[in-house]
Amino acid sequence: DTGVSQDPRHKITKRGQNVTFRCDPISEHNRLYWYRQTLGQGPEFLTYFQNEAQLEKSRLLSDRFSAERPKGSFSTLEIQRTEQGDSAMYLCASSLPNYGYTFGSGTRLTVV
Amino acid sequence: TQLLEQSPQFLSIQEGENLTVYCNSSSVFSSLQWYRQEPGEGPVLLVTVVTGGEVKKLKRLTFQFGDARKDSSLHITAAQPGDTGLYLCAVRGDGTASKLTFGTGTRLQVML
Repeated sequence: DTGVSQDPRHKITKRGQNVTFRCDPISEHNRLYWYRQTLGQGPEFLTYFQNEAQLEKSRLLSDRFSAERPKGSFSTLEIQRTEQGDSAMYLCASSLPNYGYTFGSGTRLTVV
Repeated sequence: TQLLEQSPQFLSIQEGENLTVYCNSSSVFSSLQWYRQEPGEGPVLLVTVVTGGEVKKLKRLTFQFGDARKDSSLHITAAQPGDTGLYLCAVRGDGTASKLTFGTGTRLQVML
C-alpha cells in the first residue's frame, strides 16, 4: 500500500464551475476525513466517514459541497458553483479508530 | 476563539540553534498529537502524547505534554534545514466524534 492518494494534485477552475476531487485511502483504514487548509493556517475539518457512512459534517460544508464514499473505499468531494473563497488545499486523511491520521498530498484548488 | 493556540506563529533561525514551540488550550485533552507539514504536502504524524507530564523523544525532537493535559511543547535541538516546515498540534473531540482539531500552526524556517 502506497499510502493515501489524492487526485488531481492541482486544479484551476473558473468561478461557477463544478469540481470533483478523489481520495483513495489506505485499504485497511475504515475512517476517512476531508479537511480544507488555507495558506498559513491549520487544516479545518470538513467531513468524516466511517466505512460508507458519513458521520459528521462541519458547518463549513455549505450546500455547494458534497462528499461520498459509496463502497467504503475511495471518496469523492464535489464543489458546485465554485467561488473564489473556495481556493484552498483540500486534504484527505484515513485512519484506524483512535490512531493518528495518514494524510494524502492534497489537491490544491485555485478558482479564477 | 481557537481551541488550540500555537506560538510563535513564525520562527526563522540559523542551523544549529535550539528552539521550542508551544501548543496551548484552556481545555483538557486525553491525548495530543504533533504533525509536521512540508510545503505542498499533507501533514505527517510525529508523535502522540497521552499522559500528563509525558516526555517523548524523536531524535533531536523532544515533546512534552503538560501535567494538566492542557498544553504541550516541542523542543528541537540543533535545528537543521530539513526541520523546516509547518508544525501542527492536534486533539480529538469528545464523545463519538473522532475528528482531529488542529492548532493554528508554527511555521519554522531553518537557514544555513
